[in-house]
Amino acid sequence: AQSVTQLGSHVSVSEGALVLLRCNYSSSVPPYLFWYVQYPNQGLQLLLKYTTGATLVKGINGFEAEFKKSETSFHLTKPSAHMSDAAEYFCAAVRQKVTFGTGTKLQVIP
Amino acid sequence: EAGVAQSPRYKIIEKRQSVAFWCNPISGHATLYWYQQILGQGPKLLIQFQNNGVVDDSQLPKDRFSAERLKGVDSTLKIQPAKLEDSAVYLCASSPLAGQGTGYTFGSGTRLTVV
Repeated sequence: AQSVTQLGSHVSVSEGALVLLRCNYSSSVPPYLFWYVQYPNQGLQLLLKYTTGATLVKGINGFEAEFKKSETSFHLTKPSAHMSDAAEYFCAAVRQKVTFGTGTKLQVIP
Repeated sequence: EAGVAQSPRYKIIEKRQSVAFWCNPISGHATLYWYQQILGQGPKLLIQFQNNGVVDDSQLPKDRFSAERLKGVDSTLKIQPAKLEDSAVYLCASSPLAGQGTGYTFGSGTRLTVV
């Protein structure tokens, strides 16, 4: 069965520091991969997605993610954290079904 | 483009009562999904519709949960009777096709509290 693992349920960074949120998937055939952001009391908003082609994917709000097949990873990064980035982030993999990770709450410290 | 609409935003009920949630997907989206998101967990798919047909309801607790999408547009999810463990956010999402590679658009969700 497909699974998605997000390392670290809580991540804290200082404003202006690098953001790195980790996501690994388990699948013999690479799935489609997504990152979503969820602000308090809101639904999930698509940040970026990898389907085929270029392995470095750029998304909204300055986020990007790199698909690494050899590492079965799809880590999310942002060079400089902003206070408005504080939210919960979910990685998801799609094959026949959608599988979400358990989420990572990002705290940005001023 | 209007997003996925859900109502109500919040609902508090007592256990053993019934409750219904409504979802109106993006116009033209054939596929509609209901997810349950328990606090501290990722969303879990409850049911997937393709037009007005059920594609996947393997994780829907059918003894108490039901869902329909009669005209292939909007959908309702019902819980009867509710249990304490049903407290969660219920998210509706839609996509143009079956979702592979197209991504989904999520609604804001309905936060259910069962007391």
